[in-house]
Amino acid sequence: DAGVIQSPRHEVTEMGQEVTLRCKPISGHNSLFWYRQTMMRGLELLIYFNNNVPIDDSGMPEDRFSAKMPNASFSTLKIQPSEPRDSAVYFCASTRGQGWDEQYFGPGTRLTVT
Amino acid sequence: DQQVKQNSPSLSVQEGRISILNCDYTNSMFDYFLWYKKYPAEGPTFLISISSIKDKNEDGRFTVFLNKSAKHLSLHIVPSQPGDSAVYFCAASGANAGGTSYGKLTFGQGTILTVHP
Repeated sequence: DAGVIQSPRHEVTEMGQEVTLRCKPISGHNSLFWYRQTMMRGLELLIYFNNNVPIDDSGMPEDRFSAKMPNASFSTLKIQPSEPRDSAVYFCASTRGQGWDEQYFGPGTRLTVT
Repeated sequence: DQQVKQNSPSLSVQEGRISILNCDYTNSMFDYFLWYKKYPAEGPTFLISISSIKDKNEDGRFTVFLNKSAKHLSLHIVPSQPGDSAVYFCAASGANAGGTSYGKLTFGQGTILTVHP
């Protein structure tokens, strides 16, 4: 199994630009999570999808952030416009069942907004 | 409000000795706890978990202890090995924690463990 795939691995962009992060969950997993990791706050859940439907987006910081899951094998997290404080590592994770099951994380995307 | 706290940003241990990583939580609705390990440039990987109906769970060199009255859990690694050097995240979940039904995982900030040869 290839595991959770994320792209790009690194992204450097200027403030105000649109950023799109991509995730392919493990085949057969029906729950997908987007997390953000910062030094101050550790790993924070941004949004959770179950069977491609957003269930909990209470962690999305503001309207500049949006996430979609058009099908079971693909999800995007978009930031528009990006700001320097969005700089972080963004992880995607998937699991077969409910959220409290073991989650499988991707390698992350390191985003730097200058 | 940080509901899961790992108050030690880092821990340094000699190879062969015990590593003890600590985690405190504030939400009494949490009933399932997990530890994840993360190497640089990789995503976190699941290590061990414990349900609130237990106070100890062991898997090889790794043991997690839960003290519900103190809202505290710890991860013991015995004996520690240089390959254990990583960031360790504590996470908590509960069917009704945070007002959700799916058991949202709430993570701590992580503790960097360094095991010296």
